[in-house]
Amino acid sequence: GDSVTQMEGPVTLSEEAFLTINCTYTATGYPSLFWYVQYPGEGLQLLLKATKADDKGSNKGFEATYRKETTSFHLEKGSVQVSDSAVYFCASTSYNNNDMRFGAGTRLTVKP
Amino acid sequence: IAGITQAPTSQILAAGRRMTLRCTQDMRHNAMYWYRQDLGLGLRLIHYSNTAGTTGKGEVPDGYSVSRANTDDFPLTLASAVPSQTSVYFCASSDSLVADTQYFGPGTRLTVL
Repeated sequence: GDSVTQMEGPVTLSEEAFLTINCTYTATGYPSLFWYVQYPGEGLQLLLKATKADDKGSNKGFEATYRKETTSFHLEKGSVQVSDSAVYFCASTSYNNNDMRFGAGTRLTVKP
Repeated sequence: IAGITQAPTSQILAAGRRMTLRCTQDMRHNAMYWYRQDLGLGLRLIHYSNTAGTTGKGEVPDGYSVSRANTDDFPLTLASAVPSQTSVYFCASSDSLVADTQYFGPGTRLTVL
């Protein structure tokens, strides 16, 4: 079945640093890919998604490009802020939401 | 708009006790899900419901049951809690079944002693 592997954390950066969180997937079909973010004490919320190869999802300065050739969906942001401190989850599904697979999560801390 | 509410926020439970976690959504979404979140494992699907009156098993269903009597409510029951069920539980919903955005509740932190 599908699976997702993402970069282990925690990741600690200074404000305005460049962020990359790696995510790779294995899938039998052509999955849709997601990044969810979990702020302290809250549930997950969708950050961005891409549904086909070469699509780029973007939101709040974050970007991720669906790379079929490397089976990757790395999350990037050019200049992080303290408010970006959260746990980030990569997720994948080839069929429907019942088959969604989440990565283990990467905790990001941004220091002023 | 409240979105998804879960209750209780947290609970400490003795092993062997029965417990129901409540989940209510006000978005009229067809599909609802229960996940557990464990450190280093991410989120794993316990049960789901594609529409009112139907339910299905996810990746880790053993020890849990669900019901979907109406569109809005999707309770999760632990018939006889065990310490391995200590986790944070999230309820979620989506309008569509197919690779759609899921909306999550704030979670219930459950400790089984």
